[in-house]
Amino acid sequence: DTEVTQTPKHLVMGMTNKKSLKCEQHMGHRAMYWYKQKAKKPPELMFVYSYEKLSINESVPSRFSPECPNSSLLNLHLHALQPEDSALYLCASSQIKGNNEKLFFGSGTQLSVL
Amino acid sequence: AQSVAQPEDQVNVAEGNPLTVKCTYSVSGNPYLFWYVQYPNRGLQFLLKYITGDNLVKGSYGFEAEFNKSQTSFHLKKPSALVSDSALYFCAVIYSNYQLIWGAGTKLIIKP
Repeated sequence: DTEVTQTPKHLVMGMTNKKSLKCEQHMGHRAMYWYKQKAKKPPELMFVYSYEKLSINESVPSRFSPECPNSSLLNLHLHALQPEDSALYLCASSQIKGNNEKLFFGSGTQLSVL
Repeated sequence: AQSVAQPEDQVNVAEGNPLTVKCTYSVSGNPYLFWYVQYPNRGLQFLLKYITGDNLVKGSYGFEAEFNKSQTSFHLKKPSALVSDSALYFCAVIYSNYQLIWGAGTKLIIKP
């Protein structure tokens, strides 16, 4: 199994809603990532987990809250988002957090904030 | 400062012709370079990487890339383009703290 699975594929939420994005991988990878991608732009790193511990937080607003319950799962909790947060949210994993490591990406959650 | 440039927003190639998608970089030290592809409404997929060794790197789907240290380039190539190669291509370089710096992306259009 070389897949990273993200749910839901699409999400529409209001600015007062609370929702969660989920990501799962069963490749035994110990590094997991959240990226935000605007249309036709490169992905922007949000968070990195290494061995289930938050390793990097790219100064992301607190309305985005990551969680790594175990080595296979990664969540992104959303609360009080703004319309400018509408984007494709990509989860990725790699064997470890390292310079040689290739990333395996999920297909993403297309988020629309109304 | 570390950076990656993809000078072409879009590249148009006829099916069956060779294709090149350009990438240049600016890093201190030895670069770790990557190419990723993104098909419509999908996440990114790894194509190939250069870490060290042979300057010609072979990757997925018949793609290859040539590392040129003197020109600080890492161009992506394929000898014969397929319509299914049409996608958005990103070049990236690792810098400190294991983070990727991404190029702006190049849209590749292969016409039948």
